[in-house]
Amino acid sequence: GENVEQHPSTLSVQEGDSAVIKCTYSDSASNYFPWYKQELGKRPQLIIDIRSNVGEKKDQRIAVTLNKTAKHFSLHITETQPEDSAVYFCAAQVTGILTGGGNKLTFGTGTQLKVEL
Amino acid sequence: EAGVAQSPRYKIIEKRQSVAFWCNPISGHATLYWYQQILGQGPKLLIQFQNNGVVDDSQLPKDRFSAERLKGVDSTLKIQPAKLEDSAVYLCASSVDHTSTDTQYFGPGTRLTVL
Repeated sequence: GENVEQHPSTLSVQEGDSAVIKCTYSDSASNYFPWYKQELGKRPQLIIDIRSNVGEKKDQRIAVTLNKTAKHFSLHITETQPEDSAVYFCAAQVTGILTGGGNKLTFGTGTQLKVEL
Repeated sequence: EAGVAQSPRYKIIEKRQSVAFWCNPISGHATLYWYQQILGQGPKLLIQFQNNGVVDDSQLPKDRFSAERLKGVDSTLKIQPAKLEDSAVYLCASSVDHTSTDTQYFGPGTRLTVL
């Protein structure tokens, strides 16, 4: 099955600095890569996603890059703010049309991001 | 647009007791997922429904866990009997379909503590 590795497990940055979180996946059939932000005690919320036919996607201060050859994808947050502090999860999905048994979304182990004033 | 609803939000039970969780997905979403999130880990898929049929339950511990989505909308996840290691947050998610790259939207979860 799919294995998603995520690094680092904790990341502390100063307000205004950039933060980068990196993930690797094992199943070459994965074609959808969402990133979720989860604040303490709250639901995971999608912040950005990328599909396998795209190499990079940006939304204001957040960007994601995908290297399908190397099976790497990364989240970049620029100009970090205290409200960016949360746990971030990467995930990789093989869609049901390929599995024949439904979408298979596998999560990484999470990165605890702390933005310090 | 209303999000995914779950209840209860918190549940504390003794080991060997039974417990049930309820989920109402986003209107129009055919696919419903149940995940288990143990503290400090990412969510892990337990079962996936397309309308009222199961499309993947390969990671569901079927000796104690069961789930149903009888009318293709709401779903219930049951644990009977509960073990200490079942302490976790149980997340429900929904998406438009199970054969595309549609986003999964998560509910607030039910935090289960087994004593």
